[in-house]
Amino acid sequence: GNSVTQMEGPVTLSEEAFLTINCTYTATGYPSLFWYVQYPGEGLQLLLKATKADDKGSNKGFEATYRKETTSFHLEKGSVQVSDSAVYFCALTLTNAGKSTFGDGTTLTVKP
Amino acid sequence: NAGVTQTPKFQVLKTGQSMTLQCAQDMNHEYMSWYRQDPGMGLRLIHYSVGAGITDQGEVPNGYNVSRSTTEDFPLRLLSAAPSQTSVYFCASRGFHAYEQYFGPGTRLTVT
Repeated sequence: GNSVTQMEGPVTLSEEAFLTINCTYTATGYPSLFWYVQYPGEGLQLLLKATKADDKGSNKGFEATYRKETTSFHLEKGSVQVSDSAVYFCALTLTNAGKSTFGDGTTLTVKP
Repeated sequence: NAGVTQTPKFQVLKTGQSMTLQCAQDMNHEYMSWYRQDPGMGLRLIHYSVGAGITDQGEVPNGYNVSRSTTEDFPLRLLSAAPSQTSVYFCASRGFHAYEQYFGPGTRLTVT
């Protein structure tokens, strides 16, 4: 089956620190990969995506590169802000699949 | 576009009561899904649909029914509410050729 494994949280950083949240996956086919973000009291929203190997997704200073050889899609940001405090989910979707597979989420807290 | 809408936002039920959580999308998406989110357990798929008239079970379908009579609507019915169904419920949709999910704002359900 398909699965997504994320770095366990919670993660607490100081403002302007470097962020890495690890994500690895197993899939029976060739997936598209995603990072979603959930702010308190809200639903998930797409942060970035990559649809093929070596693609780099980026948005709002966050980046992740689709690494097929290591089946990974690690999320990075060079300088986090307090407003980045949220829960981050790694996910995959297979071509023509009706459903997506999500990791358990990583809670990030950024302190001033 | 309203995107994905869910009603109600909050609900309190007594054990044994039934209710329907509503979900609608105005993006003409083929795929729709229901997830529940519990602390420390990430997102778990309840049911999903790949088009009007077609539904399938996810990983935690027991105690829930769905139907998809139109492309726009995908209601989730709780047959006889139990305290174990206390959770936050999210509806999501995506188009056939795009793999990212669009999430609703969620329904927070408490069963006493």
